[in-house]
Amino acid sequence: SQQGEEDPQALSIQEGENATMNCSYKTSINNLQWYRQNSGRGLVHLILIRSNEREKHSGRLRVTLDTSKKSSSLLITASRAADTASYFCATDAGSEKLVFGKGTKLTVNP
Amino acid sequence: DAGITQSPRHKVTETGTPVTLRCHQTENHRYMYWYRQDPGHGLRLIHYSYGVKDTDKGEVSDGYSVSRSKTEDFLLTLESATSSQTSVYFCAISETVGVTEAFFGQGTRLTVV
Repeated sequence: SQQGEEDPQALSIQEGENATMNCSYKTSINNLQWYRQNSGRGLVHLILIRSNEREKHSGRLRVTLDTSKKSSSLLITASRAADTASYFCATDAGSEKLVFGKGTKLTVNP
Repeated sequence: DAGITQSPRHKVTETGTPVTLRCHQTENHRYMYWYRQDPGHGLRLIHYSYGVKDTDKGEVSDGYSVSRSKTEDFLLTLESATSSQTSVYFCAISETVGVTEAFFGQGTRLTVV
């Protein structure tokens, strides 16, 4: 089964609101990454957080990691219509694989 | 943009025929991955490679084989295509696993009729 599982599966918000997505994983990891996919396109890397980090920021993105709970969250602040996309977490699952979850589909309404 | 290209971008094939998808990179990255993406399943790892002639199975490898005879090329073969293999296939590359970002190709939409 897949290593990462995002929650919720779908999220619809208004422009200007914050969006929070969660990711849970099953095995020990070295790092966790978040990616974004615009409809029909390849995934694009957003941010990486190492297993010894608890929080990381990049622009309007804030990622947290709780290794004791095997979970991570991605917060997008002050969302824009252009943030509409699917968001995936990915882990190395402690191996040489790069495993993705099912993703959260975010819709930001103007 | 990272130099990664997939070919073909679209393909329609008949059940039972062999199909080969190609992933080509110009970044000299060690790791290459093949994923399939289906509604409700996200991205699922089919096979991956950690070097020339070094490959391993992912979570949905049945019915698929891969080869990597050169650093830059990673081929995915469906020996006898089935309708359940209708999907969008993505190739990805990375310099290291999980430590550096992965770069994705634009995807191949495969339809098996």
